[in-house]
Amino acid sequence: EIVMTQSPATLSVSPGERVTLSCRASQSVSSNLVWYQQKPGQAPRVLIYDVSTRATGVPARFSGSGSGTEFTLTISSLQSEDCAVYYCQQHNNWPRTFGQGTKVEIK
Amino acid sequence: EVQLVESGGGLVQPGGSLRLSCAGSGFPFSSFSMHWVRQAPGQGLEYVSAINRVGDTTYYANSVKGRFTISRDNSKNTLYLQMGSLSTEDMALYYCARVAGSGWFDFWGQGTLVTVSS
Repeated sequence: EIVMTQSPATLSVSPGERVTLSCRASQSVSSNLVWYQQKPGQAPRVLIYDVSTRATGVPARFSGSGSGTEFTLTISSLQSEDCAVYYCQQHNNWPRTFGQGTKVEIK
Repeated sequence: EVQLVESGGGLVQPGGSLRLSCAGSGFPFSSFSMHWVRQAPGQGLEYVSAINRVGDTTYYANSVKGRFTISRDNSKNTLYLQMGSLSTEDMALYYCARVAGSGWFDFWGQGTLVTVSS
């Protein structure tokens, strides 16, 4: 099973600041890496798929990068509505596995 | 509009069984693989099970293998998860999700809550 490790667990950031979230896979997942955003009381929502492709309707301040085992989600300028938990997930191998999540808070 | 609506959750005793349903609408249900993902209270996302478009290929997480059965009825646009030998470790909000493209989930339902308690 591929283990996905996200860091940090929690991030407290001021509005307008740049935010960088990391996701590391225990073995290569090629480009089969996706990021989801989950707000309290809501289902997860896809943000970025195939490492760097923004899903429909996702603001341009969200971007993804990386390859193989190291991936990054960047929010260029944090907005209040971006407070959420962010999960990475690999769909290269079975079982599909998620990271444990990074919670982004407004400072 | 794509919609996925889960149902069937509730309170069940340890060792009991429950069947979850996920009704899809607004898209050609039989054209998409479907998955179940769960989330224990206050915890992260855990992959549970998957089924291909025609229902002849399935996958299970080790934690549920042999106890859960995924199935679908494309004539009813409905996905199922039959759960057995339930324990407190199975307590969670269960989401169904549609698979897009190369395997990521493009739409999720709102979830149905399973509580295991005596």
